[in-house]
Amino acid sequence: GQQLNQSPQSMFIQEGEDVSMNCTSSSIFNTWLWYKQDPGEGPVLLIALYKAGELTSNGRLTAQFGITRKDSFLNISASIPSDVGIYFCAGQLASGSRLTFGEGTQLTVNP
Amino acid sequence: KAGVTQTPRYLIKTRGQQVTLSCSPISGHRSVSWYQQTPGQGLQFLFEYFSETQRNKGNFPGRFSGRQFSNSRSEMNVSTLELGDSALYLCASSKGAEQPQHFGDGTRLSIL
Repeated sequence: GQQLNQSPQSMFIQEGEDVSMNCTSSSIFNTWLWYKQDPGEGPVLLIALYKAGELTSNGRLTAQFGITRKDSFLNISASIPSDVGIYFCAGQLASGSRLTFGEGTQLTVNP
Repeated sequence: KAGVTQTPRYLIKTRGQQVTLSCSPISGHRSVSWYQQTPGQGLQFLFEYFSETQRNKGNFPGRFSGRQFSNSRSEMNVSTLELGDSALYLCASSKGAEQPQHFGDGTRLSIL
C-alpha cells in the first residue's frame, strides 16, 4: 500500500528560527495537504497544494508540491511558541478523497 | 461558521460492547470521512461517505461500519469492541472528492 515518509520525526528549535520538514511517497498524489494538530484537538488544515511545482504561502508558512508529485515540503519562518504541535503531511489521489498521512513531525519551540 | 462537530468527546467501554460515534459536518459539505488515530499506527482511513453512499473503505475489519444520513450527518459503529480499538476517532468533512478535508476534534474511545 501507499506510504508517506515524513521527516524529521521531531525538532527542537529556538524561537525565531526557521523550520523545514518534508514528505516523500512511493506513489504519485494529485493533492498534498499539510495539517497541524494540537493536543486534544483534531488536525487543522494549514495549506493545500493542487499542482506539481506549486509553491503556496499562508503567513509564515510556505509549502511546495514536488515536481515528481511524490514529495512535498513545509517551511515555517521565524518560529514562535504557538507553532508547537505535530505537523502532518497528507496525500490525496484523484480517485477519491481518502487521505494517506505521514507519521508526523513533533515541533518544540523554546522561547 | 460552525466546524465539524463530533460527539461524544470521550467514551469508555468494555471489551465486547459496541459503540456509536456521531459526526456533524460543516454546513454544505456532503462528504464525510472517518479516520482512526493511534500512537502506533498514526492516522488510518476508515471509510468515506458521500450522499448517503459509502464510496471508499479502508483496511479495517467488518466490525467497523458507518452510515450517512440525508442531512450529511454521519455515524460510525464498532461492534464487539477489542482493547486495540482504543483510539482517537476523527471525522472530516469536505464539499466533495479532492476538496480539502476539515477535521473535528475527535472522539477519544477507551476500551477497558
